[in-house]
Amino acid sequence: QKEVEQDPGPLSVPEGAIVSLNCTYSNSAFQYFMWYRQYSRKGPELLMYTYSSGNKEDGRFTAQVDKSSKYISLFIRDSQPSDSATYLCAMSLSYNTDKLIFGTGTRLQVFP
Amino acid sequence: GAVVSQHPSWVICKSGTSVKIECRSLDFQATTMFWYRQFPKQSLMLMATSNEGSKATYEQGVEKDKFLINHASLTLSTLTVTSAHPEDSSFYICSARGTRHNEQFFGPGTRLTVL
Repeated sequence: QKEVEQDPGPLSVPEGAIVSLNCTYSNSAFQYFMWYRQYSRKGPELLMYTYSSGNKEDGRFTAQVDKSSKYISLFIRDSQPSDSATYLCAMSLSYNTDKLIFGTGTRLQVFP
Repeated sequence: GAVVSQHPSWVICKSGTSVKIECRSLDFQATTMFWYRQFPKQSLMLMATSNEGSKATYEQGVEKDKFLINHASLTLSTLTVTSAHPEDSSFYICSARGTRHNEQFFGPGTRLTVL
């Protein structure tokens, strides 16, 4: 079993839709949870990070962590064509993010 | 700020040759650099972690004699794939972290194809 599972997609939605991206994980010791966005031929860039369970909101993005279910989500409201990218979840055991465990990434396409 | 570059962006080489990939932090001092590898439809996998001036720490299953990492300065780390074989063909991506951040900043990656 992979430590982090993520549906690779692609996920195709119309502009303005609410997008839900998800990851499940097996190691209950993970404490920090991150979402990265990767445009084609670019490196991943950090979108959001959360610690332990709960929600965190930043503009159109909301990250949610449910440690009891070992399930994390990223919601994108009012999606835009510029949101089209691959979204990777990542997690680590501690705040010292030396060892990040990544999901495979979900490719999102937002069409006008 | 926090820009990381990689060179080359892609490289094709013959089996048995060595390939060097550079990773540079352009606007900050990277005390720690990380090298990842990503095969098609798989996750980014950490290969090794290097701190400036120290030997790299390799993840289990990664051959240190095959993947030579040098982190001689606070802005440059290099990964040399020695005696490359077709199974080494992959996307290699570095990241860097400075003293002011806990976040890793990623480079754009290098696509290696070994014929």
